[in-house]
Amino acid sequence: GAGVSQSPRYKVAKRGQDVALRCDPISGHVSLFWYQQALGQGPEFLTYFQNEAQLDKSGLPSDRFFAERPEGSVSTLKIQRTQQEDSAVYLCASSSPGASGRFTDTQYFGPGTRLTVL
Amino acid sequence: GESVGLHLPTLSVQEGDNSIINCAYSNSASDYFIWYKQESGKGPQFIIDIRSNMDKRQGQRVTVLLNKTVKHLSLQIAATQPGDSAVYFCAEMGGNKLVFGAGTILRVKS
Repeated sequence: GAGVSQSPRYKVAKRGQDVALRCDPISGHVSLFWYQQALGQGPEFLTYFQNEAQLDKSGLPSDRFFAERPEGSVSTLKIQRTQQEDSAVYLCASSSPGASGRFTDTQYFGPGTRLTVL
Repeated sequence: GESVGLHLPTLSVQEGDNSIINCAYSNSASDYFIWYKQESGKGPQFIIDIRSNMDKRQGQRVTVLLNKTVKHLSLQIAATQPGDSAVYFCAEMGGNKLVFGAGTILRVKS
Protein backbone atom coordinates (compact mmCIF):
# COMPACT_ATOMS: atom_id res chain seq x y z
CA GLY A 1 0.00 0.00 0.00
CA ALA A 2 1.00 3.63 -0.34
CA GLY A 3 3.07 5.25 2.35
CA VAL A 4 2.92 8.78 3.68
CA SER A 5 3.11 11.32 0.89
CA GLN A 6 3.97 14.99 1.08
CA SER A 7 3.74 17.84 -1.37
CA PRO A 8 5.41 19.81 -2.64
CA ARG A 9 8.74 18.04 -2.27
CA TYR A 10 10.59 21.35 -2.62
CA LYS A 11 9.41 24.87 -1.95
CA VAL A 12 11.31 28.10 -2.37
CA ALA A 13 9.73 31.15 -0.81
CA LYS A 14 10.74 34.75 -0.50
CA ARG A 15 10.95 36.06 3.01
CA GLY A 16 7.52 37.23 4.11
CA GLN A 17 5.54 34.89 1.89
CA ASP A 18 3.04 32.39 3.23
CA VAL A 19 3.47 28.69 2.44
CA ALA A 20 1.27 25.63 2.80
CA LEU A 21 2.68 22.13 3.05
CA ARG A 22 0.48 19.09 2.56
CA CYS A 23 0.61 15.65 4.12
CA ASP A 24 -1.36 12.57 3.07
CA PRO A 25 -1.02 9.96 5.81
CA ILE A 26 -1.28 6.22 5.37
CA SER A 27 -4.94 5.36 4.87
CA GLY A 28 -6.64 4.61 8.15
CA HIS A 29 -3.94 6.03 10.38
CA VAL A 30 -5.56 8.08 13.11
CA SER A 31 -2.43 9.79 14.38
CA LEU A 32 -0.49 12.37 12.38
CA PHE A 33 2.65 14.23 13.35
CA TRP A 34 4.66 17.10 11.94
CA TYR A 35 8.40 17.44 12.54
CA GLN A 36 10.97 20.01 11.51
CA GLN A 37 14.45 18.86 10.53
CA ALA A 38 17.26 21.36 10.24
CA LEU A 39 20.28 20.47 8.15
CA GLY A 40 22.50 17.94 9.91
CA GLN A 41 20.15 17.45 12.82
CA GLY A 42 17.47 15.05 13.93
CA PRO A 43 13.80 15.83 13.43
CA GLU A 44 12.11 17.95 16.08
CA PHE A 45 8.47 17.61 17.01
CA LEU A 46 6.07 20.34 15.97
CA THR A 47 2.52 19.11 16.47
CA TYR A 48 0.30 16.04 16.75
CA PHE A 49 -3.24 15.18 15.65
CA GLN A 50 -5.49 12.33 16.61
CA ASN A 51 -8.11 12.23 13.90
CA GLU A 52 -9.09 15.89 13.45
CA ALA A 53 -8.16 16.95 16.96
CA GLN A 54 -4.87 18.74 17.47
CA LEU A 55 -3.79 17.31 20.79
CA ASP A 56 -0.32 18.77 21.09
CA LYS A 57 1.13 21.84 19.41
CA SER A 58 3.86 22.49 21.92
CA GLY A 59 6.60 22.26 19.31
CA LEU A 60 5.35 24.98 16.98
CA PRO A 61 8.08 27.64 17.12
CA SER A 62 5.84 30.67 16.79
CA ASP A 63 2.30 31.78 16.08
CA ARG A 64 3.29 32.01 12.42
CA PHE A 65 3.00 28.24 12.29
CA PHE A 66 -0.44 26.71 12.01
CA ALA A 67 -1.52 23.13 11.29
CA GLU A 68 -4.90 21.65 10.55
CA ARG A 69 -6.48 18.31 9.75
CA PRO A 70 -10.15 19.18 9.28
CA GLU A 71 -11.44 15.76 8.20
CA GLY A 72 -9.04 13.60 10.11
CA SER A 73 -7.05 12.57 7.05
CA VAL A 74 -5.02 15.06 5.01
CA SER A 75 -3.15 17.67 7.02
CA THR A 76 -1.74 21.05 6.06
CA LEU A 77 1.07 22.89 7.81
CA LYS A 78 0.94 26.60 7.09
CA ILE A 79 3.72 29.05 7.76
CA GLN A 80 2.89 32.70 7.55
CA ARG A 81 5.36 35.48 6.82
CA THR A 82 8.21 33.04 6.33
CA GLN A 83 11.63 33.88 7.74
CA GLN A 84 15.04 32.53 6.78
CA GLU A 85 15.21 30.53 9.99
CA ASP A 86 12.16 28.57 8.79
CA SER A 87 14.32 26.92 6.13
CA ALA A 88 14.30 23.21 6.91
CA VAL A 89 12.80 19.91 5.88
CA TYR A 90 9.28 19.46 7.18
CA LEU A 91 8.42 15.85 7.82
CA CYS A 92 5.03 14.29 8.31
CA ALA A 93 4.49 10.93 10.02
CA SER A 94 1.45 8.82 10.74
CA SER A 95 0.72 5.92 13.02
CA SER A 96 -2.12 3.63 13.91
CA PRO A 97 -2.87 1.34 16.81
CA GLY A 98 -2.79 -2.35 16.23
CA ALA A 99 -0.64 -2.47 13.10
CA SER A 100 0.28 -6.11 12.57
CA GLY A 101 3.68 -7.03 13.87
CA ARG A 102 4.43 -3.58 15.25
CA PHE A 103 4.08 -1.85 18.51
CA THR A 104 1.22 0.55 18.43
CA ASP A 105 3.36 3.65 18.47
CA THR A 106 5.39 3.13 15.31
CA GLN A 107 5.47 6.29 13.24
CA TYR A 108 5.98 6.07 9.49
CA PHE A 109 7.47 9.09 7.80
CA GLY A 110 6.90 10.73 4.46
CA PRO A 111 9.75 12.03 2.26
CA GLY A 112 9.47 15.55 3.60
CA THR A 113 9.16 18.99 2.05
CA ARG A 114 12.37 20.96 1.80
CA LEU A 115 11.55 24.62 2.39
CA THR A 116 14.08 27.26 1.45
CA VAL A 117 13.34 30.84 2.42
CA LEU A 118 15.39 33.43 0.54
CA GLY B 1 16.23 19.08 29.47
CA GLU B 2 15.51 15.60 28.30
CA SER B 3 17.54 14.51 25.33
CA VAL B 4 18.66 11.56 23.29
CA GLY B 5 22.27 11.65 22.14
CA LEU B 6 24.79 9.59 20.24
CA HIS B 7 28.38 8.79 21.17
CA LEU B 8 29.81 8.61 17.62
CA PRO B 9 28.78 11.04 14.91
CA THR B 10 30.47 9.05 12.09
CA LEU B 11 31.13 5.34 11.75
CA SER B 12 33.08 3.80 8.88
CA VAL B 13 32.99 0.04 8.40
CA GLN B 14 34.17 -2.40 5.80
CA GLU B 15 31.54 -4.14 3.72
CA GLY B 16 30.68 -7.46 5.33
CA ASP B 17 31.68 -6.40 8.82
CA ASN B 18 29.20 -5.89 11.64
CA SER B 19 28.27 -2.34 12.66
CA ILE B 20 27.33 -1.10 16.08
CA ILE B 21 25.73 2.29 16.56
CA ASN B 22 25.28 3.54 20.09
CA CYS B 23 22.87 5.94 21.71
CA ALA B 24 22.44 7.35 25.21
CA TYR B 25 19.13 8.62 26.46
CA SER B 26 18.34 10.67 29.52
CA ASN B 27 14.63 10.22 30.17
CA SER B 28 14.33 7.18 32.39
CA ALA B 29 10.53 7.36 32.03
CA SER B 30 10.64 6.60 28.30
CA ASP B 31 9.19 3.20 27.54
CA TYR B 32 9.58 2.93 23.79
CA PHE B 33 12.62 3.35 21.58
CA ILE B 34 13.05 3.26 17.84
CA TRP B 35 15.89 3.23 15.35
CA TYR B 36 15.41 5.03 12.06
CA LYS B 37 17.56 5.09 8.94
CA GLN B 38 17.59 8.21 6.79
CA GLU B 39 19.08 8.36 3.33
CA SER B 40 19.80 11.63 1.60
CA GLY B 41 16.65 13.34 0.41
CA LYS B 42 14.33 10.87 2.10
CA GLY B 43 12.34 10.71 5.29
CA PRO B 44 13.37 8.53 8.22
CA GLN B 45 12.71 4.86 7.60
CA PHE B 46 11.69 2.62 10.48
CA ILE B 47 14.25 -0.11 11.23
CA ILE B 48 13.38 -1.67 14.54
CA ASP B 49 11.84 -0.78 17.86
CA ILE B 50 11.91 -2.01 21.43
CA ARG B 51 9.85 -1.57 24.56
CA SER B 52 11.40 -0.87 27.92
CA ASN B 53 10.29 -4.28 29.24
CA MET B 54 12.67 -5.93 26.78
CA ASP B 55 16.45 -5.86 26.58
CA LYS B 56 16.91 -7.27 23.11
CA ARG B 57 14.96 -7.50 19.90
CA GLN B 58 16.04 -8.95 16.58
CA GLY B 59 15.01 -8.23 13.06
CA GLN B 60 16.41 -9.07 9.70
CA ARG B 61 20.17 -8.43 10.02
CA VAL B 62 19.51 -5.93 12.80
CA THR B 63 19.43 -6.24 16.56
CA VAL B 64 18.54 -3.58 19.10
CA LEU B 65 19.85 -3.81 22.64
CA LEU B 66 18.48 -1.80 25.53
CA ASN B 67 20.30 -1.31 28.82
CA LYS B 68 17.99 0.58 31.12
CA THR B 69 20.48 0.59 33.98
CA VAL B 70 22.83 2.90 32.12
CA LYS B 71 20.20 4.30 29.74
CA HIS B 72 21.94 3.02 26.65
CA LEU B 73 20.58 1.82 23.33
CA SER B 74 22.49 0.20 20.50
CA LEU B 75 21.79 -0.94 16.97
CA GLN B 76 23.75 -3.83 15.56
CA ILE B 77 23.80 -4.42 11.82
CA ALA B 78 25.15 -7.77 10.69
CA ALA B 79 27.14 -8.14 7.47
CA THR B 80 26.95 -4.44 6.64
CA GLN B 81 26.24 -3.68 2.99
CA PRO B 82 26.81 -0.56 0.89
CA GLY B 83 23.04 0.01 0.95
CA ASP B 84 23.25 0.44 4.70
CA SER B 85 25.12 3.72 4.25
CA ALA B 86 22.89 6.41 5.73
CA VAL B 87 22.31 8.48 8.84
CA TYR B 88 20.92 6.49 11.75
CA PHE B 89 18.80 8.08 14.44
CA CYS B 90 17.68 6.67 17.73
CA ALA B 91 14.49 8.11 19.13
CA GLU B 92 12.55 7.77 22.33
CA MET B 93 8.87 8.18 22.80
CA GLY B 94 8.00 10.97 25.20
CA GLY B 95 4.24 11.06 25.46
CA ASN B 96 3.07 10.90 21.87
CA LYS B 97 6.06 12.58 20.32
CA LEU B 98 9.38 11.18 19.29
CA VAL B 99 12.54 12.79 20.63
CA PHE B 100 15.40 12.19 18.22
CA GLY B 101 19.11 12.19 18.75
CA ALA B 102 21.48 14.05 16.45
CA GLY B 103 22.26 11.02 14.28
CA THR B 104 25.23 8.86 13.34
CA ILE B 105 26.54 8.70 9.81
CA LEU B 106 27.34 5.15 8.74
CA ARG B 107 29.74 4.82 5.83
CA VAL B 108 30.32 1.41 4.31
CA LYS B 109 33.57 0.91 2.46
CA SER B 110 33.65 -1.60 -0.37
